[in-house]
Amino acid sequence: EAGVTQFPSHSVIEKGQTVTLRCDPISGHDNLYWYRRVMGKEIKFLLHFVKESKQDESGMPNNRFLAERTGGTYSTLKVQPAELEDSGVYFCASSPYWAARRTDTQYFGPGTRLTVL
Amino acid sequence: AQSVSQHNHHVILSEAASLELGCNYSYGGTVNLFWYVQYPGQHLQLLLKYFSGDPLVKGIKGFEAEFIKSKFSFNLRKPSVQWSDTAEYFCAVRLTEGGSQGNLIFGKGTKLSVKP
Repeated sequence: EAGVTQFPSHSVIEKGQTVTLRCDPISGHDNLYWYRRVMGKEIKFLLHFVKESKQDESGMPNNRFLAERTGGTYSTLKVQPAELEDSGVYFCASSPYWAARRTDTQYFGPGTRLTVL
Repeated sequence: AQSVSQHNHHVILSEAASLELGCNYSYGGTVNLFWYVQYPGQHLQLLLKYFSGDPLVKGIKGFEAEFIKSKFSFNLRKPSVQWSDTAEYFCAVRLTEGGSQGNLIFGKGTKLSVKP
């Protein structure tokens, strides 16, 4: 079974540019989560999709971040325009069942390292 | 707000030394507890988890953790570390009540360096 994949693995952009990160969850997983780790800080929750719907976006920093999950499969996280403080590692995780979201194990992707110059 | 504290930022041990990494959380309700590990160049992997039952849980690669509810702690242990245990270790908590939608709350991570 393929794991969670993320693309790109690294991205270096200039302040003001746009970047789109992609996550492909494990096939059939209802729940898809985005997390971010800013250097030296803890990994923080950004948002949670259940299939194609946003279930919880309480962790999104501001309206420069836009997440979508097309057809309940892969997800994209767009940052527009990027700021210096957006640098960090963006992780995606998925878990199988909406009804078991509080007991499922979350499987993480390798992360995308974003550097904003 | 709920938080997770990992007491050590960087731990350096020699091979065969015993390991204990501390983790405390601030939440009075029922929680699930996790330890994830990130080896150099790899993604986060689940080391072990506690949902209910026996508070002493065993994970992969000889790791174990003990949930002490009265202390809000979930410390990770290994009796004898190997060079291959060099990695960053993350403690995480998931609330199981109220408005929780299943997201994890992480500590800042502890880097473990094992000297051969």
